[in-house]
Amino acid sequence: EAQVTQNPRYLITVTGKKLTVTCSQNMNHEYMSWYRQDPGLGLRQIYYSMNVEVTDKGDVPEGYKVSRKEKRNFPLILESPSPNQTSLYFCASSLLGQGALGYTFGSGTRLTVV
Amino acid sequence: DQQVKQNSPSLSVQEGRISILNCDYTNSMFDYFLWYKKYPAEGPTFLISISSIKDKNEDGRFTVFLNKSAKHLSLHIVPSQPGDSAVYFCAASAGKGGGNKLTFGTGTQLKVEL
Repeated sequence: EAQVTQNPRYLITVTGKKLTVTCSQNMNHEYMSWYRQDPGLGLRQIYYSMNVEVTDKGDVPEGYKVSRKEKRNFPLILESPSPNQTSLYFCASSLLGQGALGYTFGSGTRLTVV
Repeated sequence: DQQVKQNSPSLSVQEGRISILNCDYTNSMFDYFLWYKKYPAEGPTFLISISSIKDKNEDGRFTVFLNKSAKHLSLHIVPSQPGDSAVYFCAASAGKGGGNKLTFGTGTQLKVEL
């Protein structure tokens, strides 16, 4: 089954404790992206990657890092999480240049930073 | 700067009636528009899209209308069913082939009542 898999689904952590949210896709998509969803703000892009070793900032990159060492994986790293990073996070993928065909999204990771 | 706006946070409709969800955008470079549907605890799923060279696209009960001069699009669901109750996000992309970055609106919670 074609899918984007995120882990964990839920995470509660403390301020300053480094964490990684994993994302993996099995569709051989070049393009991968991370979004966060917040009430009243919709989905905002954090980082994206157009291929292996090619990453770039989205609209709200502060406090986040990503890496793309393999085509299928695109982890999101919070080196020193803060309470304002409490949010619902989604990983998405698509074929390059085919954004109009829509993304495939993961099921989401609900992160709480206390 | 919210380039894609959904001014109605919620909408309630009776089963069998028409649901109309609205979306406005400000960026003239957008040339593909998409609607996503999101159920609780799931990632958004692609519903329907429209290219800027068209003014209407239909897929079963779902029709998207685009008014380029007004920078406005709408999603019509006829007839509405209880299973349509979800959050609907409008999204837009720019560039050849639709590009890859999707800019999302804030979402509209649709509730279809029996």
